[in-house]
Amino acid sequence: NAGVTQTPKFQVLKTGQSMTLQCAQDMNHNSMYWYRQDPGMGLRLIYYSASEGTTDKGEVPNGYNVSRLNKREFSLRLESAAPSQTSVYFCASSDIRNTEAFFGQGTRLTVV
Amino acid sequence: RKEVEQDPGPFNVPEGATVAFNCTYSNSASQSFFWYRQDCRKEPKLLMSVYSSGNEDGRFTAQLNRASQYISLLIRDSKLSDSATYLCVVNPGGGGFKTIFGAGTRLFVKA
Repeated sequence: NAGVTQTPKFQVLKTGQSMTLQCAQDMNHNSMYWYRQDPGMGLRLIYYSASEGTTDKGEVPNGYNVSRLNKREFSLRLESAAPSQTSVYFCASSDIRNTEAFFGQGTRLTVV
Repeated sequence: RKEVEQDPGPFNVPEGATVAFNCTYSNSASQSFFWYRQDCRKEPKLLMSVYSSGNEDGRFTAQLNRASQYISLLIRDSKLSDSATYLCVVNPGGGGFKTIFGAGTRLFVKA
C-alpha cells in the first residue's frame, strides 16, 4: 500500500541552487497538492492540480513551479532556492469528492 | 485574523483525562470541516470529519457550531498514544480541496 510517495526525504541546498521534489500516488486520485509546513504556521498550500493537465496557485506560490506530468505524478521545482524556503514539504492527493487528503511522508528541505 | 485559529497548547493531561480542543474559522461560507492528527515529524492523517449533526468515533467526538463558527474535538479517557498535534481543517468550498489548515494543538498525555 504505497499511497503517496515523495522523494527525497531530506535535502540540503545552497542558496541559488535548484531542485525538483517528486511525488507520485497510486490511488487513481484526480487532485494533487503541494504544501509547506513551517513551525507555528500550519500547512500552507503552494500549488494544486485538480486534474491531469491543470495546475493552480495556492496561498504561497512565489519561488515555485509545478508540473502535473500525468495522473500519478506531480512535481514541485525550486528554480533558485532561498533560505526562506527552508521548510517541510508535503505532497497530498484526494479523490474527486475531495473528502480526505492523503499525504506523503514529507521532504525536509534546508537552504543554507 | 487568521482564517483558522487554534490554541497551540501544549495541553498536558494525565492518562484517563478528558480533553477538549476548539478551533474557530472566519469564513462563514465554509462547507467541510475535519480534524487531522499529526505525529511528531510525520505526515498528517485524517482523524475524523465534522458534520453538522456531530460525529463520534469511539473516544473521539467532533462538533460543529456554524452560528459561532467553531468546531471542537473531545477526547475521552486519554491514552498515551493520543499524544500528537491535532490540526483543524476547513474547506471553504467552491470546488477543489482548497483546504485551510490550522497551526495545530499539541497534546501530551502522561502516565
